[in-house]
Amino acid sequence: EAQLVDSGGGVVRPGGSLRLSCAASGFSFDEYGMTWVRQAPGKGLECVAGINWSGSSTGYADSVKGRFTISRDNAKNSLFLQMNNLRAEDTALYYCVRVRYYGHYDNYMDVWGRGTTVTVSS
Amino acid sequence: QSVLTQPPSVSAAPGQKVTISCSGGGSNIVSNYVSWYQQVPGTAPKLLIYNNNKRPSGIPDRFSGSKSGTSATLGITGLQTGDEADYYCGTWDSSLGVGVFGGGTRLTVL
Repeated sequence: EAQLVDSGGGVVRPGGSLRLSCAASGFSFDEYGMTWVRQAPGKGLECVAGINWSGSSTGYADSVKGRFTISRDNAKNSLFLQMNNLRAEDTALYYCVRVRYYGHYDNYMDVWGRGTTVTVSS
Repeated sequence: QSVLTQPPSVSAAPGQKVTISCSGGGSNIVSNYVSWYQQVPGTAPKLLIYNNNKRPSGIPDRFSGSKSGTSATLGITGLQTGDEADYYCGTWDSSLGVGVFGGGTRLTVL
């Protein structure tokens, strides 16, 4: 069974950095695109960053462009999100998500982690 | 402000039918397939519909999806109290280069 375990969340001060990780198992990680989706308390879902199967193509929401970097290590079945210059509005639950046909017209998100909480507060 | 627009809430009685709309534009819904996700409070979202109208294994046929032009619709028939959740539409945005979601619709089964 496909499984994603996200980790690395915590409390950080404004302007600080944090690196999220996601460990994948139960499927061929290097055949799928991946994305990080966040959900602020009481709010909806927002895709913040995505990456294709090889890591050669990435995309970012305008709200995090220039501050967040998504990457992957296919040899270790792992996905990462480096978050720099964090702001209070980045406070959210961050989900690691598998994407079928990333970047294509027929893409969709079919496997979700349980999420890791990021709190940005002074 | 979400890229896709959904009504904040809908409600209906058990056994009844409800529809949830999702509207967008040329760079997202018009050009790409739509998917729908169900999120029970306190849990991660779950894929409900993909490619506009296809159901993953294990999703009952009470759930259906459709798309026309700049809008998509999720339909749920034979409502059950267990269907109470937040529902999100999602798709790829070819201009933004990322996935986008609607703001979510809270379904209440009265």
